[in-house]
Amino acid sequence: EVQLGESGGGLVQPGGSLRLSCAASGFTFSGYWMHWVRQAPGKGLVWVSRINSDGSSTTYADSVTGRFTISRDNAKNTLYLQMNSLRAEDTAVYYCARVSGIYDTSGYYVDYWGQGTLVTVSS
Amino acid sequence: DIHLTQSPSSLSASVGDRVTITCRASQSIRFYLNWYQQKLGKAPNLLIYAASSLQSGVPSRFSGSGSGTDFTLTISSLQPEDFATYYCQQSYSTPFTFGQGTRLEIK
Repeated sequence: EVQLGESGGGLVQPGGSLRLSCAASGFTFSGYWMHWVRQAPGKGLVWVSRINSDGSSTTYADSVTGRFTISRDNAKNTLYLQMNSLRAEDTAVYYCARVSGIYDTSGYYVDYWGQGTLVTVSS
Repeated sequence: DIHLTQSPSSLSASVGDRVTITCRASQSIRFYLNWYQQKLGKAPNLLIYAASSLQSGVPSRFSGSGSGTDFTLTISSLQPEDFATYYCQQSYSTPFTFGQGTRLEIK
């Protein structure tokens, strides 16, 4: 059974840092691209970042570029999101997401999501 | 960035109704459109990928259609468990933007 479990969320002051982790199990972690998606309280889904299967390529939303860093440790089956210079508008539930699909035939889609971890940025 | 606009933003319907939700892209995204269902307090769940492909395990009352800039999600006969918020997402190019969501409520 595929499982994704986020951890590391919590309350942090503006300007502070936090590192989220996502432990993966039940599939060959090193074979999949992974994404982070966030959702502010009462709001919609927002794509944050992605990383390819071996960690050599990353992409970010403009709103987090230069502040957030996505990484992975395939030996530990774990995805990370390092968040620096946090702002109030970064307050959200952060989901890690497994991405499947082949671009030319099916596109990419999230077929498994974690349960999410809440990050609150407030003084 | 590609902008996705869903309509309506909210919808009231009854069990057994046929419901259609629309997603319009700001530019052509060919078939690169996914649909997700999210229930309150839960992670989203994939319904449709590549505009019209039904994800394994998803009931056949859900269907998707469209290409280019205009897409639809149809629920052929609403069931009580279908009352939730629905999101479209494009995977044509990064950032992989989502629509603003359509909240489906019980009439």
